[in-house]
Amino acid sequence: DQQVKQNSPSLSVQEGRISILNCDYTNSMFDYFLWYKKYPAEGPTFLISISSIKDKNEDGRFTVFLNKSAKHLSLHIVPSQPGDSAVYFCAASARRSSGSARQLTFGSGTQLTVLP
Amino acid sequence: GAVVSQHPSRVICKSGTSVKIECRSLDFQATTMFWYRQFPKQSLMLMATSNEGSKATYEQGVEKDKFLINHASLTLSTLTVTSAHPEDSSFYICSASTPWRTDARGTEAFFGQGTRLTVV
Repeated sequence: DQQVKQNSPSLSVQEGRISILNCDYTNSMFDYFLWYKKYPAEGPTFLISISSIKDKNEDGRFTVFLNKSAKHLSLHIVPSQPGDSAVYFCAASARRSSGSARQLTFGSGTQLTVLP
Repeated sequence: GAVVSQHPSRVICKSGTSVKIECRSLDFQATTMFWYRQFPKQSLMLMATSNEGSKATYEQGVEKDKFLINHASLTLSTLTVTSAHPEDSSFYICSASTPWRTDARGTEAFFGQGTRLTVV
């Protein structure tokens, strides 16, 4: 049972346009969401996160939107650049007891290709 | 951000042998380290969670006698794949974490660069 779903395995976007990557979750206990970028044969690199008390977080070209009622979040990249081509993973976390690290549940990833 | 070093990045071993993968947090003390496995074109699947000084907690379906995890210090965790078989060939990734804190970047989990294991 996948608790975090990325239903689009791939997405192609023209350079300069907006890339929108989507993620859905089922566990209502999740209260923190993160996006990671991953190149082949490398570990994931953190991009941006959002707490469940917010509905939007922005960092440069990256903006994450959270719709709690729909259990849906999205990552917007604008303008998209060829260097953004990678696999993007959505991850979610539920609050744990004080002093223990959060465990991340990952989606299956979306391969973004930005065409020059 | 924090640096996590994973070694080796690539290893080829013969079936039946054991392989050890190291994960080090270079500039912070990681109370918790997570080990993931990624199959081609699939998500990162959590294998186990290890807290320094205690036994690892394995996810359902992961054989603890096959994937031995040691987290002897706050900066080092190791994953040993024992009696490796071709079906163990995969991409293994570790991440190191500290207890939850809110920081400017909003993350507490830092990933190693991964290890490509090929069992022949």
